Amino acid sequence: SQKIEQNSEALNIQEGKTATLTCNYTNYSPAYLQWYRQDPGRGPVFLLLIRENEKEKRKERLKVTFDTTLKQSLFHITASQPADSATYLCARINGSSNTGKLIFGQGTTLQVKP
Amino acid sequence: NAGVTQTPKFRILKIGQSMTLQCAQDMNHNYMYWYRQDPGMGLKLIYYSVGAGITDKGEVPNGYNVSRSTTEDFPLRLELAAPSQTSVYFCASTLGGQISLEAFFGQGTRLTVV
Repeated sequence: SQKIEQNSEALNIQEGKTATLTCNYTNYSPAYLQWYRQDPGRGPVFLLLIRENEKEKRKERLKVTFDTTLKQSLFHITASQPADSATYLCARINGSSNTGKLIFGQGTTLQVKP
Repeated sequence: NAGVTQTPKFRILKIGQSMTLQCAQDMNHNYMYWYRQDPGMGLKLIYYSVGAGITDKGEVPNGYNVSRSTTEDFPLRLELAAPSQTSVYFCASTLGGQISLEAFFGQGTRLTVV
């Protein structure tokens, strides 16, 4: 089956450090991967999209990489802050990109300690 | 713009009862979706719509129905509630196609079936 998997264990880091979250996929090659942030009791909020022909994408303190050889995307938050504490979801397009259907990983919870 | 609005935010249903979860978006998006999220899991697609009058099943459609009579509204109907439908439900929308794949989510409806 075509899976997308994230580390289900929570990631705890100290403020100011770089947080790195992993998203792995198997048995297919997605044209796009997306990353979302989800706070408790809230809906996911879109952060970044990376295409298969892009190795890296940045937005402020966020960086996403896409390694089609390793079948992996890494999500980095540099100079992390307690306000970055949340669950981060990766997602891929399911089927044709014209429908926008998403398949999500289970999410990784990040806790940034002051 | 309000974005995607879901009502109600919370609901407790008895087994066998019915209800409709409301979803409305004011961004003139053609594509709308219903996902459910169980604890520690990623979101799973229930139904989706690529435009008014067009709906299709997602990954977990059993026990649910949808309609799309207008571009703005996409209600989700539970006919005979079962404990397995206890979950958090998210409505989402996208502009669709190759234009934008960013999904906008509502704040969710937490449903408990007892």
